[in-house]
Amino acid sequence: DGGITQSPKYLFRKEGQNVTLSCEQNLNHDAMYWYRQDPGQGLRLIYYSQIVNDFQKGDIAEGYSVSREKKESFPLTVTSAQKNPTAFYLCASSIRNTEAFFGQGTRLTVV
Amino acid sequence: GNSVTQMEGPVTLSEEAFLTINCTYTATGYPSLFWYVQYPGEGLQLLLKATKADDKGSNKGFEATYRKETTSFHLEKGSVQVSDSAVYFCALSDALGNTPLVFGKGTRLSVIA
Repeated sequence: DGGITQSPKYLFRKEGQNVTLSCEQNLNHDAMYWYRQDPGQGLRLIYYSQIVNDFQKGDIAEGYSVSREKKESFPLTVTSAQKNPTAFYLCASSIRNTEAFFGQGTRLTVV
Repeated sequence: GNSVTQMEGPVTLSEEAFLTINCTYTATGYPSLFWYVQYPGEGLQLLLKATKADDKGSNKGFEATYRKETTSFHLEKGSVQVSDSAVYFCALSDALGNTPLVFGKGTRLSVIA
């Protein structure tokens, strides 16, 4: 089955710790995206990549980092510089100018 | 820049009521338009889409028509069910496909039996 897989579904982070969220797709899509969603809020774009080895900052990139070494993978690292990381993180992929397909999300909680 | 404006929620309806969720957009050229649905604790799923003016997207009883003259893409359903309770997002893709989808803020729908 083709799709996007995010892991883990739930993640707990201690203060000052970096954590990495995984996103893998087997849809052969060139573009991949990371969004953050807070309770009762819309989606905010963190980073996106339209091609391997290239990515651009979105609206709220501070405190996050990404890499795009393979077409299938676009991991997101939440660094200790992100002061309020508790949120629901969504990964998506698309072919240009078409709809995006989303993963099931990772819920990150700071403990 | 491109933007999407959705009616604010939450919207509460009784089962079998008629649903309209308004969506208007600002964009240059001829963007593609989408409606996504998000159930609790899940990612977004594409509900329907339209890629050119006067196109009607439809799926699972939901419909939306791409109105270039009013820059709108309102979501409608003739008879909602409890299982339609979710958050609905309107989105657009710019005509050249060079930038990520732009989303509205979402509208929460609750349907009561």
